[in-house]
Amino acid sequence: KAGVTQTPRYLIKTRGQQVTLSCSPISGHRSVSWYQQTPGQGLQFLFEYFSETQRNKGNFPGRFSGRQFSNSRSEMNVSTLELGDSALYLCASSSGQGVFENEQFFGPGTRLTVL
Amino acid sequence: AQKVTQAQTEISVVEKEDVTLDCVYETRDTTYYLFWYKQPPSGELVFLIRRNSFDEQNEISGRYSWNFQKSTSSFNFTITASQVVDSAVYFCALSEPRSYNTDKLIFGTGTRLQVFP
Repeated sequence: KAGVTQTPRYLIKTRGQQVTLSCSPISGHRSVSWYQQTPGQGLQFLFEYFSETQRNKGNFPGRFSGRQFSNSRSEMNVSTLELGDSALYLCASSSGQGVFENEQFFGPGTRLTVL
Repeated sequence: AQKVTQAQTEISVVEKEDVTLDCVYETRDTTYYLFWYKQPPSGELVFLIRRNSFDEQNEISGRYSWNFQKSTSSFNFTITASQVVDSAVYFCALSEPRSYNTDKLIFGTGTRLQVFP
């Protein structure tokens, strides 16, 4: 069974640009969560999608947005990039019943560098 | 508010030494899950264990063992006879309340473990 895949793995952008990251969950999984990992703030929850609906949202500015498609693949978008957006963005997938019912699996991440 | 504290930022040991990674959590919920993840240099978070708040039995898996104590809100992780391949960043995490029906996890800041040959 294929794991969670994220594309691209590495990305370099400049301030002010926008970026779209993609996450393909494990086959059959309906929930996708996104996390931002930085040396200063650690792992922080961005948002979670289940059946194409945002089910939970972290404390990030509106420049960060996401969506989920009918095949459960998810994308996150960051507009007007800032230097502080440089981070490892991790995606996790699960069946969607919440962590009390099932496990979630993480992808390898997309490392975004903003110059 | 829920919080996970991993006070040890970095630990260095020599191969074959035992090492314990500390995790202290805060929550007002009576039902929750605790997790440990390993993050090797490649970046992917590798699941190690999930423990229900009602199950305080210690768990052992090969060289890994976990000690869960609700009285002290701790969920510590011990690696016995450490190996170079254990070098990674280890994260402890706490679930949101069950009623929230979410996969969201609250992570600690991680402990970087370096095992030297």
